[in-house]
Amino acid sequence: SYEMTQPPSLSVSAGQTATITCSGEKLGDKNVCWYQQRPGQSPALVIYEDTKRPSGIPERFSGSNSGNTATLTISGTQVMDEADYYCQSWDRSAPWVFGGGTKLTVL
Amino acid sequence: QVRLVQSGAEVRKPGASVTLSCKTTGYNFTTYYVHWVRQAPGQGLEWMGIINPSGTATGLAQRFQDRVTLTRVTSTTTVYMKLSSLRSEDTALYFCARESALQGFDYWGQGTLITVSS
Repeated sequence: SYEMTQPPSLSVSAGQTATITCSGEKLGDKNVCWYQQRPGQSPALVIYEDTKRPSGIPERFSGSNSGNTATLTISGTQVMDEADYYCQSWDRSAPWVFGGGTKLTVL
Repeated sequence: QVRLVQSGAEVRKPGASVTLSCKTTGYNFTTYYVHWVRQAPGQGLEWMGIINPSGTATGLAQRFQDRVTLTRVTSTTTVYMKLSSLRSEDTALYFCARESALQGFDYWGQGTLITVSS
């Protein structure tokens, strides 16, 4: 089965850039989404199709995907961005797989 | 507006079954696939399965293929998930989510907590 690896945790200072990675074999050949889950809430889609932002998601959220690594970048991180972040990939051979999640702490 | 509203928390004994519901409103029910995702306490997200509300086609993660049944009732725009042969490891928060044409899960239910305990 297909697996994706994320760092369990990441800490950044408010106003700095947070970079969350998601690694998997030939991940660049798949579509990747990213979800934000604040404590006690349902996940929310923040990036789809590697780089696209749904309506209402701030421009400080951006994504990329190449080779074996997808990346979620949060520029000018705010305290409200403190949450768990999950990558998700899709292709016909391994549909709808989630990464293990990264807990982002904003100091 | 688009909403997915899930049924309330349930407690079951090991070996029992439970059926969760996900009532959808605010969009064309037959146009979007619905997925089920679970999250054990303090753990990450786990994809369980998908149903195409326009027909009866479903897909399940391999580990759930013998224990999960997905159904829908078009007239009430509701999807259901039945999980059988419950064990303590099934204690989790279960979410339904709408898929936007391979563009991710754009709307989520509030989650249903299932507790399996003797």
